[in-house]
Amino acid sequence: AAGVIQSPRHLIKEKRETATLKCYPIPRHDTVYWYQQGPGQDPQFLISFYEKMQSDKGSIPDRFSAQQFSDYHSELNMSSLELGDSALYFCASSSKASGYSYEQYFGPGTRLTVT
Amino acid sequence: SQQGEEDPQALSIQEGENATMNCSYKTSINNLQWYRQNSGRGLVHLILIRSNEREKHSGRLRVTLDTSKKSSSLLITASRAADTASYFCAIAMYSGGGADGLTFGKGTHLIIQP
Repeated sequence: AAGVIQSPRHLIKEKRETATLKCYPIPRHDTVYWYQQGPGQDPQFLISFYEKMQSDKGSIPDRFSAQQFSDYHSELNMSSLELGDSALYFCASSSKASGYSYEQYFGPGTRLTVT
Repeated sequence: SQQGEEDPQALSIQEGENATMNCSYKTSINNLQWYRQNSGRGLVHLILIRSNEREKHSGRLRVTLDTSKKSSSLLITASRAADTASYFCAIAMYSGGGADGLTFGKGTHLIIQP
């Protein structure tokens, strides 16, 4: 079965640079979520989108922005990167149209290292 | 904070034994989910239990939910070495906003000794 696809899988950036992470949800899933997981930490919810509209907002820094496109894929844009942004970034998807089971399916993550 | 709190933080047992992990939370919830994560890898959804359910089974997994105590437990029976991983509970409040994010607990690191 198709899963959530994230790209790139690994990314190395320097401080103050920008980064763009991409997420392709499971086919027919209409909702996308972004999470950040620091080393040894639990995942922290950043932001979610349903039908291309921002739905919920968590602890997303003002330096970060995200959007969902017409094909339901999503991009997380991160600017003025800081050392503390080094983390695993997960995208998850779910389907509200299919009765909203609320189960979120996670991608493999993008490991961002800021040097 | 509505964050789930898990205990124990780490658990080491012998293969074949049962493993029990607990999760407590502070707010009203729509559902509670359990995820597994192998070191540095993705989160795998294990089981979802809704607020009006008390117990749910999936293979070797058994989850209970006590909304009066705001707590849940995950039982893995007949553990295997491949069960070694971190286990997280995650709560979903779904306050009417739609695609609400999950709030994760700190996780329990489970080690199955062969």
